[in-house]
Amino acid sequence: EVQLVESGGGLVQPGRSLRLSCAASGFTFDDYAMHWVRQAPGKGLEWVSGISWNSGSIGYADSVKGRFTISRDNAKNSLYLQMNSLRAEDTALYYCAKGAAAGGGTFDYWGQGTLVTVSS
Amino acid sequence: EIVMTQSPATLSVSPGERATLSCRASQSVSSNLAWYQQKPGQAPRLLIYGASTRATGIPARFSGSGSGTEFTLTISSLQSEDFAVYYCQQYNNWPLTFGPGTKVDIK
Repeated sequence: EVQLVESGGGLVQPGRSLRLSCAASGFTFDDYAMHWVRQAPGKGLEWVSGISWNSGSIGYADSVKGRFTISRDNAKNSLYLQMNSLRAEDTALYYCAKGAAAGGGTFDYWGQGTLVTVSS
Repeated sequence: EIVMTQSPATLSVSPGERATLSCRASQSVSSNLAWYQQKPGQAPRLLIYGASTRATGIPARFSGSGSGTEFTLTISSLQSEDFAVYYCQQYNNWPLTFGPGTKVDIK
């Protein structure tokens, strides 16, 4: 059974940093791209960042480019998101999502999310 | 960035009826279009990819069509468990982008 478990969310002041983690199990982690998708309270879905299986291809939404860094450790079956210079508009539930084998940049499994609240 | 739009914002449908949801891309995404279903308090679920291919375990009452810039998700006979928000997503270009969603509620 595929499981994605996010951690690291919490309340943080504007301008500070936070690092999210996603522990993956139930599939061969280093065969798949992985992504972070967020959802602000009561709002829609926003793709944040994605990383290919070997970290050779990385992308970011314009809204986080230069502030967030995605990484993965295939030996630990883990995905990370380093978030710097946080803003109030980064407040959201952050989902870790597995890239689908078929359908390239789609997401076939999702975690339950970790909540990030940016407020003073 | 490719901008995705969806219509209508809310669709009120009676159980057993057909629901038709639309998604439009600001430029061609070929057939690189997916649909997701999200229920309150839950993570999204992949329904359709490649514009028309159902994901594993998705019932046949869900179907997708379209290519280029115009896409449709059809739910042939709405069941109680289908009342949810539906999002389209393009994966033809990075950054990957979602539409704003269509809420399907009970009429």
